[in-house]
Amino acid sequence: KQEVTQIPAALSVPEGENLVLNCSFTDSAIYNLQWFRQDPGKGLTSLLLIQSSQREQTSGRLNASLDKSSGRSTLYIAASQPGDSATYLCASHNTNAGKSTFGDGTTLTVKP
Amino acid sequence: EAQVTQNPRYLITVTGKKLTVTCSQNMNHEYMSWYRQDPGLGLRQIYYSMNVEVTDKGDVPEGYKVSRKEKRNFPLILESPSPNQTSLYFCASSSYLGGSSTEAFFGQGTRLTVV
Repeated sequence: KQEVTQIPAALSVPEGENLVLNCSFTDSAIYNLQWFRQDPGKGLTSLLLIQSSQREQTSGRLNASLDKSSGRSTLYIAASQPGDSATYLCASHNTNAGKSTFGDGTTLTVKP
Repeated sequence: EAQVTQNPRYLITVTGKKLTVTCSQNMNHEYMSWYRQDPGLGLRQIYYSMNVEVTDKGDVPEGYKVSRKEKRNFPLILESPSPNQTSLYFCASSSYLGGSSTEAFFGQGTRLTVV
C-alpha cells in the first residue's frame, strides 16, 4: 500500500525567504505526482504535476522535482510572500489499481 | 470553463436518512474519485472510477456507494449516514493519456454534518 509522507508538518518563514517542502512515497509505481495548495476550509488548487517520466516542473516561483528511485519529491518556493500561506499537499496517482494517495500536508506561514 | 461541480456545498442531515452528493465534470475525463478530509487524518480516497460502469474501492469505502452511469457524473451515496461520516468531501477528475494521467481537478467540497 502506498504511503505518502510530508515533512515538515508546519513551517514558518519570513517574507522573501526561499523554502523547500518535502514529500516521500514508498511505492515508485506511479503515473504522476501532483502538488496542491489548500486554503482553510477551501478546495484544492493544483500547483504542479510531474509525470513519472519527468524530473521537474516549473511554474512561476514554484519548482517541483521528482526522483522515483528514491521515492522523493520536493516543492521549491522562491521569494516567499504572505499570500503563499496555505497548506501544501502532495499526492501520488498510483498505477497499482489506479488509487490516489495524499500526504498529510505542510502548513506554511509566511510572515510579513 | 473547466470545472468539477459538487452539490450541495453544505448539508446537515440526521442519522439514517439517505442522501446523495452529486459530482459533475465538463472535461470529458475518464477518471473520477471521491475523498473525505478529516482533521488529523488528511485526505482519504473513498471510491474511484476509471471509466463508465467501472468503479472500485479506495481506502475508506465502508458506508458509501457510488455509480458511474455517465462519463460526466459520479454521485456519492450514503444509504444510512452516521455521525462518523461527518466530514468535508471532495470530488476530483482527471484523464488518462498515453499511459499517463493528467492533472486532477477538484470540486469545491461538500461539508456534511450528520447529527
